[in-house]
Amino acid sequence: DAKTTQPTSMDCAEGRAANLPCNHSTISGNEYVYWYRQIHSQGPQYIIHGLKNNETNEMASLIITEDRKSSTLILPHATLRDTAVYYCIVRVAASGYALNFGKGTSLLVTP
Amino acid sequence: GAGVSQSPSNKVTEKGKDVELRCDPISGHTALYWYRQRLGQGLEFLIYFQGNSAPDKSGLPSDRFSAERTGESVSTLTIQRTQQEDSAVYLCASSPPQHNSPLHFGNGTRLTVT
Repeated sequence: DAKTTQPTSMDCAEGRAANLPCNHSTISGNEYVYWYRQIHSQGPQYIIHGLKNNETNEMASLIITEDRKSSTLILPHATLRDTAVYYCIVRVAASGYALNFGKGTSLLVTP
Repeated sequence: GAGVSQSPSNKVTEKGKDVELRCDPISGHTALYWYRQRLGQGLEFLIYFQGNSAPDKSGLPSDRFSAERTGESVSTLTIQRTQQEDSAVYLCASSPPQHNSPLHFGNGTRLTVT
């Protein structure tokens, strides 16, 4: 699987948009970009994933650059409950390919 | 609906004892994964099941670790002769057979070896 690079930590004010970047310059054509988050003492929670088109769901938006070498996860109106470690992972989209978690970005949402 | 369920949520055991950790995946999910997360560290992949076969055991750290799965249902991770370095949260995830389906995680079993 391609390696990803994320900032170690970020801060965001409550109510503002949180934009979390991820670099994955060695991504292959059959690899998707997945985002998960882990709130303290819980298992990782799936957020969103995409191949090349931008994606949006009830939790977040995923913006993938045209060359697919980087992406941004957007939480449009961050709340205190969004404080967590956010993981960007690239993975072949087929059963049997495990998610390889890196160190992620620790997002702190402040009042 | 019901998510991935793991039991027990916490387990304290003495060094040298065997432990069994249980995972109940989401109904209909054919793939099942075990991960380990040591305190303050990232997730380490341990083993993957497709149905009741385990085509990828590459992450099991030693022969003290084993896992089995009954059909497309419950899985058990067994650690024999536990050591203090086995202390960690053990996480289970499952996913349906459809292409590019995400993995869904349980909240893990926190194992403490004293």
